[in-house]
Amino acid sequence: DAGVIQSPRHEVTEMGQEVTLRCKPISGHDYLFWYRQTMMRGLELLIYFNNNVPIDDSGMPEDRFSAKMPNASFSTLKIQPSEPRDSAVYFCASSRSGSPYQETQYFGPGTRLLVL
Amino acid sequence: KQEVTQIPAALSVPEGENLVLNCSFTDSAIYNLQWFRQDPGKGLTSLLLIQSSQREQTSGRLNASLDKSSGRSTLYIAASQPGDSATYLCAGNNAGNMLTFGGGTRLMVKP
Repeated sequence: DAGVIQSPRHEVTEMGQEVTLRCKPISGHDYLFWYRQTMMRGLELLIYFNNNVPIDDSGMPEDRFSAKMPNASFSTLKIQPSEPRDSAVYFCASSRSGSPYQETQYFGPGTRLLVL
Repeated sequence: KQEVTQIPAALSVPEGENLVLNCSFTDSAIYNLQWFRQDPGKGLTSLLLIQSSQREQTSGRLNASLDKSSGRSTLYIAASQPGDSATYLCAGNNAGNMLTFGGGTRLMVKP
């Protein structure tokens, strides 16, 4: 399996522009998570999906952020308009259903976003 | 709300030393406690998962323990090697699928 795939790996944009991050989870995994990692705040969960349905988006910082999962093999995280404080590494992760005691999450390589 | 803390934030040891990384959490109602490794510029890789009913898990030179009553977990690395240099993060799983991460411990093993 190729693991969790994220694109682009790096993104540099100017303040006010729209940014779209993409994720392909591991085949057969029905949970998908979006995280943001910064030096100041560490790794934070933004939103997660189960069977393509958003379950908890309480970590989404504000209305400028939105996430979709139109099918089991694709998800997007969009920032519109982007601001310099959105600069961070954004990770996508996926996991299987099954016992919550046992399942771990598999992380993609991340998208490093810089908003100028 | 779960809070996870890792101490120290950074650690430097000579090759061959045994070392312990610490993780503390505030809410003991966890499904499991997980340890991850993150190399610079990379994603996280799962190392060990300790279920709430377990006290420890071992994988090679790594041993992780869990004490729910005190809200603590440790990651023991035996005979450290330069290849062990990375950031190690612990995470508590409270809601079946939601992980709360600590700030990580950045480990450097010097040859």
